[in-house]
Amino acid sequence: AQRVTQPEKLLSVFKGAPVELKCNYSYSGSPELFWYVQYSRQRLQLLLRHISRESIKGFTADLNKGETSFHLKKPFAQEEDSAMYYCALNHGNKLVFGAGTILRVKS
Amino acid sequence: DAGITQSPRYKITETGRQVTLMCHQTWSHSYMFWYRQDLGHGLRLIYYSAAADITDKGEVPDGYVVSRSKTENFPLTLESATRSQTSVYFCASRQGRAGGRVKDTQYFGPGTRLTVL
Repeated sequence: AQRVTQPEKLLSVFKGAPVELKCNYSYSGSPELFWYVQYSRQRLQLLLRHISRESIKGFTADLNKGETSFHLKKPFAQEEDSAMYYCALNHGNKLVFGAGTILRVKS
Repeated sequence: DAGITQSPRYKITETGRQVTLMCHQTWSHSYMFWYRQDLGHGLRLIYYSAAADITDKGEVPDGYVVSRSKTENFPLTLESATRSQTSVYFCASRQGRAGGRVKDTQYFGPGTRLTVL
């Protein structure tokens, strides 16, 4: 069955420290994966998708099919990165979301 | 982002009452979705619609009803609200598929915070 696992409910780092938000997936086909972000009092918005191989706001994510992972990374965290982050997997016409990880960047 | 709106933004109701949450998008997107957001569960799909008059169940459809008579609207009705339906509800829309792959991603509304007393 398709599933997305985000093992950390909360990740707290200091400003300037590296960040890695973990995401593992279970899917039998060729996965399409996304990271969504929700800043305080704002709606969810797409951060990046694996097929674009892009870097948005300094974040990158590489699909590792061998480890079935799609971890989100940023070398130097900023306070404005504090938010809820969701990993999502496209399944048919729907997205399957992980439980989310709250990232808190401390000054 | 302003192309998808939800109303009301906040709603307090009592157990057993019927509640309808509205969702409206101005992009003529084919697909629309309803999610509920609960701590520890992330976003869970309630219902979705591929086009007007086409709807299908998601992961947690029990206690909810949807309709889609027009492409731009996708209301969600709680027929008899229960305390377990206290949540934040998000509507989303997506353009559709092209070449067998997802052509575009989902765009989310601002959410409706529903409290059932």
